[in-house]
Amino acid sequence: IQMTQSPSSLSASVGDRVTITCRSFQGISDFLSWYQQKPGQAPKLLIYEASRLQSGVPRRFRGSGSDPDYTLTIDGVQPEDFATYYCQQNYGTPPTFGPGTTVDIK
Amino acid sequence: QVQLQESGPGLVKPSETLSLTCKLSGDSISHFYWTWFRQPPGKGLEYIGYIHNDGRTNYNPSLQSRVTLSVDTSTHEFSLKVSSMTAADTAVYYCARAQPRSYDFYLGHVDLWGQGRQVTVSP
Repeated sequence: IQMTQSPSSLSASVGDRVTITCRSFQGISDFLSWYQQKPGQAPKLLIYEASRLQSGVPRRFRGSGSDPDYTLTIDGVQPEDFATYYCQQNYGTPPTFGPGTTVDIK
Repeated sequence: QVQLQESGPGLVKPSETLSLTCKLSGDSISHFYWTWFRQPPGKGLEYIGYIHNDGRTNYNPSLQSRVTLSVDTSTHEFSLKVSSMTAADTAVYYCARAQPRSYDFYLGHVDLWGQGRQVTVSP
């Protein structure tokens, strides 16, 4: 199942609301996760099943949407949030990732 | 604290077989999907496959003919073998734990990752 993300990159200031969109080319029934990856580090799970916040993740991260469009929102981006974000579907096999969205400092 | 740690060679020659092992600490290998992913330099993430502690396996069709996964519950380790390595297989290889989906217990989200192992294929 092919996944797309938009934008591919964005610049934001601390405190801004950031929105990243992920689109699936076929229905994935909300089996959609969001990961954050910083350079040289493994990905970190933020959101699973489209809107469930992973334990320990700050509440400023919010997942929403339904087939085929899903959204990750960061309400008030913090300095530690500048990273690359990937969506991933685990409805079909193989699980597939979007190409990533890089969020950097304006 | 539950952790995963990959081990294995960082350099592999073309046509050789890559063998990586992932050690789980702080928990037992049970009721999860033990998965492998990789990430070529500057690129996105690719699923390689999973093995469940009950022995079920699943492989990415793009790699299926070259990949073998195994698990040793007694040592809390699971392993990846990729044969006939080429330069295109140069990547950071991650082991990870995936939860079963809440609705049907199939492969779900990945909530625990190893730190990654850089593997370079070069003569």
